[in-house]
Amino acid sequence: KQEVTQIPAALSVPEGENLVLNCSFTDSAIYNLQWFRQDPGKGLTSLLLIQSSQREQTSGRLNASLDKSSGRSTLYIAASQPGDSATYLCAAYGGSQGNLIFGKGTKLSVKP
Amino acid sequence: EAQVTQNPRYLITVTGKKLTVTCSQNMNHEYMSWYRQDPGLGLRQIYYSMNVEVTDKGDVPEGYKVSRKEKRNFPLILESPSPNQTSLYFCASSLTGSGNTIYFGEGSWLTVV
Repeated sequence: KQEVTQIPAALSVPEGENLVLNCSFTDSAIYNLQWFRQDPGKGLTSLLLIQSSQREQTSGRLNASLDKSSGRSTLYIAASQPGDSATYLCAAYGGSQGNLIFGKGTKLSVKP
Repeated sequence: EAQVTQNPRYLITVTGKKLTVTCSQNMNHEYMSWYRQDPGLGLRQIYYSMNVEVTDKGDVPEGYKVSRKEKRNFPLILESPSPNQTSLYFCASSLTGSGNTIYFGEGSWLTVV
């Protein structure tokens, strides 16, 4: 059964720093991997979707990579800003289409 | 505007009183899903639907029912709510079940006393 793990659970950095969030998954037979952002008390917003045939995706200051062979994905945030403070979650599909498994998230705090 | 709309957003109810949380999307998506989010346990999938009249259990389906009679709606039914179903619930949709961006509703805070 697919398991998704995110390390660290929380991260605090000063503004302007580049940072990397990690996501690992146990079953490499994934359709895709998605990164989401969640603000306190709010729903999730999709940030990046990497298809299984892709190695990375970029959107603005965000870059996500996917290495299926090692079961890992990373989310790189360049030049972090206080507005980036949120919880970041990754998700991969489980054994069947539609069964989406989430990591527990990394809570990011960017200090001015 | 693309939206996933859940109602109610906040609800306090009593043990055993049947309730329904509605979910509607305006994007003509085939795939819809329900999750619950609990501290320390993260987001867990309850049920999902790949299309009309097609539903499947997620990881924590016990105590819940769903139906998908029309494409835009996917209600979550708690036939006899219990306190351990107190949680934050999210509905989500995407074009298909595996290859597309997923859109989430704003969440429904449910407390069962």
